[in-house]
Amino acid sequence: QSVLTQPPSASGTPGQRVTISCSGSSSNIGSNYVYWYQQLPGTAPKLLIYRNNQRPSGVPDRFSGSKSGTSASLAISGLRSEDEADYYCAAWDDSLSGHWVFGGGTKLTVL
Amino acid sequence: QVQLVQSGAEVKKPGASVKVSCKASGYTFTGYYMHWVRQAPGQGLEWMGRINPNSGGTNYAQKFQGRVTMTRDTSISTAYMELSRLRSDDTAVYYCASQGVYWGQGTLVTVSS
Repeated sequence: QSVLTQPPSASGTPGQRVTISCSGSSSNIGSNYVYWYQQLPGTAPKLLIYRNNQRPSGVPDRFSGSKSGTSASLAISGLRSEDEADYYCAAWDDSLSGHWVFGGGTKLTVL
Repeated sequence: QVQLVQSGAEVKKPGASVKVSCKASGYTFTGYYMHWVRQAPGQGLEWMGRINPNSGGTNYAQKFQGRVTMTRDTSISTAYMELSRLRSDDTAVYYCASQGVYWGQGTLVTVSS
């Protein structure tokens, strides 16, 4: 059972816009930055969004992040087949002397 | 460019220990926390803990307290994660991640009798 809650799956057709939600609590999302990762099969996670809505260089602006209260979301616009992957949200949690928490992951399927 | 290169796959018997290394390059090793995250087959990401490469100070996830030890050797910009008393459910890919931004390629640890 993950501390952050994500839908297990999401889907869309090429060109569509999809969003993935991430729900937490006051000790994690409510008081710390949210990070989003993309994981392609057999590879290490790749940072997509940091500090709620910032994109590392090289990440297309089709990917955007937002946060409100104890929830966050990742939006992918202009969906492409290569976006099919697992997506994870993460945040620092201030409880128990501090620890990093992840969502359970969302499998995005491009139909 | 920033690179984190981890040691190779390991096969261990239950009860044994494993030590995974993570060699950093392309940035100031002592400037950023190194986290360790694992992923069991078909499962999500699980944080194990972090080490401050500058001070050597550590924070471990409660689940791994008493079984995990994170260390570093600043002379060779390498972080280590040792997990003891291995069980079959410790079978996973273990990743190091610098400040959560840059990730190693992962090290598969298989625990099997």
